[in-house]
Amino acid sequence: GAGVSQSPSNKVTEKGKDVELRCDPISGHTALYWYRQSLGQGLEFLIYFQGNSAPDKSGLPSDRFSAERTGGSVSTLTIQRTQQEDSAVYLCASSPNTGGVREKLFFGSGTQLSVL
Amino acid sequence: DQQVKQNSPSLSVQEGRISILNCDYTNSMFDYFLWYKKYPAEGPTFLISISSIKDKNEDGRFTVFLNKSAKHLSLHIVPSQPGDSAVYFCAAKEGGYGNKLVFGAGTILRVKS
Repeated sequence: GAGVSQSPSNKVTEKGKDVELRCDPISGHTALYWYRQSLGQGLEFLIYFQGNSAPDKSGLPSDRFSAERTGGSVSTLTIQRTQQEDSAVYLCASSPNTGGVREKLFFGSGTQLSVL
Repeated sequence: DQQVKQNSPSLSVQEGRISILNCDYTNSMFDYFLWYKKYPAEGPTFLISISSIKDKNEDGRFTVFLNKSAKHLSLHIVPSQPGDSAVYFCAAKEGGYGNKLVFGAGTILRVKS
């Protein structure tokens, strides 16, 4: 596709349930990021994938959060046993990462997660 | 501990006037700064950036100023247009590998016609 695609666009779940959020980056982009934006807050870094390197998981808030990236393309962010404080917009971004460390990130439209 | 702060949650400006959005940071290791713009129900899009070796970068109606000693940067939009109404995020990055950006909370800009 032309841009970063995320699904679903909206997800309502009950506390305690698991959710999976999907990100399809721009074709050919080797770097993929997950951020989240809670109400009234800035974008909070969660995790970063670069090629075949081990992901940078330093932003994951708890062990209930995990992410994988299959085949260097699509990524899934999984939240287990969701809590109300997990409610946020989850944003995925990708970049070509052709060697410059100052490349722009291209964001998807996000998944609005609401935990009741 | 917020490393990037945008202390004004919102700003309202008349069309044709200058919009000035401010951003402060605390991490002296940041060496690259960016502004992103976000419309409702869309992801943020890159607007303009500046390296720490510069104090000004201009792109059309948008200019970013960096004051390293004050750990402060600002985005100027001249002249402001109604289509500029959006949320503006300031972001910063430490030197090194990867593009892990630290974002501020954003400022809602409303340009009145």
